[in-house]
Amino acid sequence: GQQVMQIPQYQHVQEGEDFTTYCNSSTTLSNIQWYKQRPGGHPVFLIQLVKSGEVKKQKRLTFQFGEAKKNSSLHITATQTTDVGTYFCAGPGTNAGKSTFGDGTTLTVKP
Amino acid sequence: DSGVTQTPKHLITATGQRVTLRCSPRSGDLSVYWYQQSLDQGLQFLIQYYNGEERAKGNILERFSAQQFPDLHSELNLSSLELGDSALYFCASSGGTNYNEQFFGPGTRLTVL
Repeated sequence: GQQVMQIPQYQHVQEGEDFTTYCNSSTTLSNIQWYKQRPGGHPVFLIQLVKSGEVKKQKRLTFQFGEAKKNSSLHITATQTTDVGTYFCAGPGTNAGKSTFGDGTTLTVKP
Repeated sequence: DSGVTQTPKHLITATGQRVTLRCSPRSGDLSVYWYQQSLDQGLQFLIQYYNGEERAKGNILERFSAQQFPDLHSELNLSSLELGDSALYFCASSGGTNYNEQFFGPGTRLTVL
């Protein structure tokens, strides 16, 4: 079935540094979603990208969907301790509504 | 608060036993998904139901089964439990205008001793 690969698995940064996680698929995705899971919490939907080359911003977070709709990235500018957690990308599965989650990138931020 | 509820919050049981995890989706959501998350692991999709019918199956073991009832709540049954089944089990629901957006419940932490 369709899979999305996410890198890196872990990222440790100093507070104030930037952070980027990448999501790649071998097949074209009709859409991609990003979720954040805080330590001890549950995944929370951040955003969905649908259009080729789409860029969306949420404060310090920038989400990008590749032109070929096979990759996506999440970039955080000037990380803060509140950004810690695991960031997952999710692509649509073969059935409407089903999502295939990447393995996630766990971000730790050193104050 | 996502609007998705899961019970129980914690479950401790012994190997060989059977347990049932319960999920109530957000009001109006027709789709329910079950995921397994082991320690420091990603989200493993188990199964999806839509309006009472099984829609998609992931890496769900034969010892596991699920169903969605007419009131749309769902139950995940885990039987002949093994130590390796210890994990966090999440339920998510979707069904709004953006049907891909999933709302996750707080999870049930299962410990098999």
